[in-house]
Amino acid sequence: AQSVTQPDIHITVSEGASLELRCNYSYGATPYLFWYVQSPGQGLQLLLKYFSGDTLVQGIKGFEAEFKRSQSSFNLRKPSVHWSDAAEYFCAVVGTSYGKLTFGQGTILTVHP
Amino acid sequence: DARVTQTPRDKVTEMGQEVTMRCQPILGHNTVFWYRQTMMQGLELLAYFRNRAPLDDSGMPKDRFSAEMPDATLATLKIQPSEPRDSAVYFCASGLDYQEETQYFGPGTRLLVL
Repeated sequence: AQSVTQPDIHITVSEGASLELRCNYSYGATPYLFWYVQSPGQGLQLLLKYFSGDTLVQGIKGFEAEFKRSQSSFNLRKPSVHWSDAAEYFCAVVGTSYGKLTFGQGTILTVHP
Repeated sequence: DARVTQTPRDKVTEMGQEVTMRCQPILGHNTVFWYRQTMMQGLELLAYFRNRAPLDDSGMPKDRFSAEMPDATLATLKIQPSEPRDSAVYFCASGLDYQEETQYFGPGTRLLVL
């Protein structure tokens, strides 16, 4: 069965600083990978997804992620964080016969002014 | 702007009461997912429907939970009887295809069982 690990429970960065959120997955074949963001009291919004092809994928709100098969990783990055990026971020994988998302435990991002 | 809607947004009830949560998927979507989010377990899949048929409800406690799709525009999740451990946020998501397409999440129903 597939699994997702987000090693960092909580990350704090200053506004304008760069950001990298880590995600490691476990799955036998090439998975479908996703990053979602959840603002307080809100549902999940898709930031970006990787299915195949170019391993560097661009998403909304200036986010990007890089799929590295050798490291089983799909880290999320942003060059300059804005205060509005403060939220919880979830990495997820779909690897079974249907769209069953397996989520990581999430990383809470705090942005200092 | 098409969105998944869920009602109610918040629900407080007493242990033993029946709880019904409703979800309206995005028009035209043919897959519906129910997830539960708790601090301890994170996000867990409870049930999955495709073309209104339940294909996977292995994540759902069978003795008290039930999920249905009376029609293509309505999905329901019922808990009877409810217990304090059911307190969580329940999300509905819909999509167009189980493999290629992404899932669009509703705002969730926050349930508190006293």
